Amino acid sequence: TQLLEQSPQFLSIQEGENLTVYCNSSSVFSSLQWYRQEPGEGPVLLVTVVTGGEVKKLKRLTFQFGDARKDSSLHITAAQPGDTGLYLCAGSKAYKYIFGTGTRLKVLA
Amino acid sequence: DAMVIQNPRYQVTQFGKPVTLSCSQTLNHNVMYWYQQKSSQAPKLLFHYYDKDFNNEADTPDNFQSRRPNTSFCFLDIRSPGLGDAAMYLCATSRDGAGGRLETQYFGPGTRLLVL
Repeated sequence: TQLLEQSPQFLSIQEGENLTVYCNSSSVFSSLQWYRQEPGEGPVLLVTVVTGGEVKKLKRLTFQFGDARKDSSLHITAAQPGDTGLYLCAGSKAYKYIFGTGTRLKVLA
Repeated sequence: DAMVIQNPRYQVTQFGKPVTLSCSQTLNHNVMYWYQQKSSQAPKLLFHYYDKDFNNEADTPDNFQSRRPNTSFCFLDIRSPGLGDAAMYLCATSRDGAGGRLETQYFGPGTRLLVL
């Protein structure tokens, strides 16, 4: 059973456009992480959110944790080709991390 | 400075020939994880160690085993690799934070396994 659903699954946009990726669950997580992964490499941590309603910004990336700690979103402003990759959310629960289904983003120059 | 190291980065084995993948960490973290990731999919947790305590996922095949001889090292053994076991294998670590809340999970670069 997949506890974390990400949408969209695939996204192809032009450089300069904005986008939002969603990570939704019916379960409560004590924290949630977002990763970006490039082909042939391990996931690289972007951010960890812990408090319900928390908003964190990392340059052009804005992360939000839902008030009930069941969902999260990642918003990218003015996307660049370097943002291309697989974006994964992962929630921590009982000494495990549950990964989302992933969003593959391609930003065209 | 590398914190989670996986060797080798690429491993080729033959169908049915046992293979071992290794992971080491310099973070002194309590928890170590092994994930399997197939092309364009999310990583799938195989098992994890909390200290010396081994925790297997219910759907992890018996073909996959793990050993953690000390805090720094963890091994993934595939007893009889099949063609379907070709994948990227990721090792990760995490420190047990206050109140049992896990802190940041750090990943190694992965080992890509090819089964001929």
